[in-house]
Amino acid sequence: EAGVVQSPRYKIIEKKQPVAFWCNPISGHNTLYWYLQNLGQGPELLIRYENEEAVDDSQLPKDRFSAERLKGVDSTLKIQPAELGDSAVYLCASSFVTGELFFGEGSRLTVL
Amino acid sequence: QQQVKQSPQSLIVQKGGISIINCAYENTAFDYFPWYQQFPGKGPALLIAIRPDVSEKKEGRFTISFNKSAKQFSLHIMDSQPGDSATYFCAAAPGRQGSARQLTFGSGTQLTVLP
Repeated sequence: EAGVVQSPRYKIIEKKQPVAFWCNPISGHNTLYWYLQNLGQGPELLIRYENEEAVDDSQLPKDRFSAERLKGVDSTLKIQPAELGDSAVYLCASSFVTGELFFGEGSRLTVL
Repeated sequence: QQQVKQSPQSLIVQKGGISIINCAYENTAFDYFPWYQQFPGKGPALLIAIRPDVSEKKEGRFTISFNKSAKQFSLHIMDSQPGDSATYFCAAAPGRQGSARQLTFGSGTQLTVLP
């Protein structure tokens, strides 16, 4: 069974540029999460989807971050414009109902 | 507000030794306590989890000890191996069923097992 797939794995951009990350969850998983992981820190939840509905986006900086989950499957996380402090790993995870979280390998963003 | 405090930040253990990582929490609503293992360049993966109705859970060389009154839980890795070298995160989630949907992670412990 394929795991959570994320792309791109690495992205380097200049500050103020836009960037987008894509996530394909495990088939059948209705819950999708985007986490932010700063260097040397644990993951922090940005947004959680139940099917296509964002049910917890309280930690998403809505002035520059946006996310969508079309048709309750794939999801995209966008940052516009990116700032130096956004350099981090963006992790996508999925789960079935209340089950175990499965993480992707992450998208490492470097903002210059 | 850091709801799950993890220590130590880094740990070096000789092969065959015991690795011990500790976590403390504040939110009494937490009802699910998993540990995740993360290798460089990979996402975290669930290692072992416990619910507060038991004080200990063992899976192979990995054991979680849970102290509800002290609001602390720990991971013990017996007979540590170089392949165990990774970053370990404790986490906690609230709710009667303790789902993974609202996990709060600790800050991580970088474990190095020397050959």
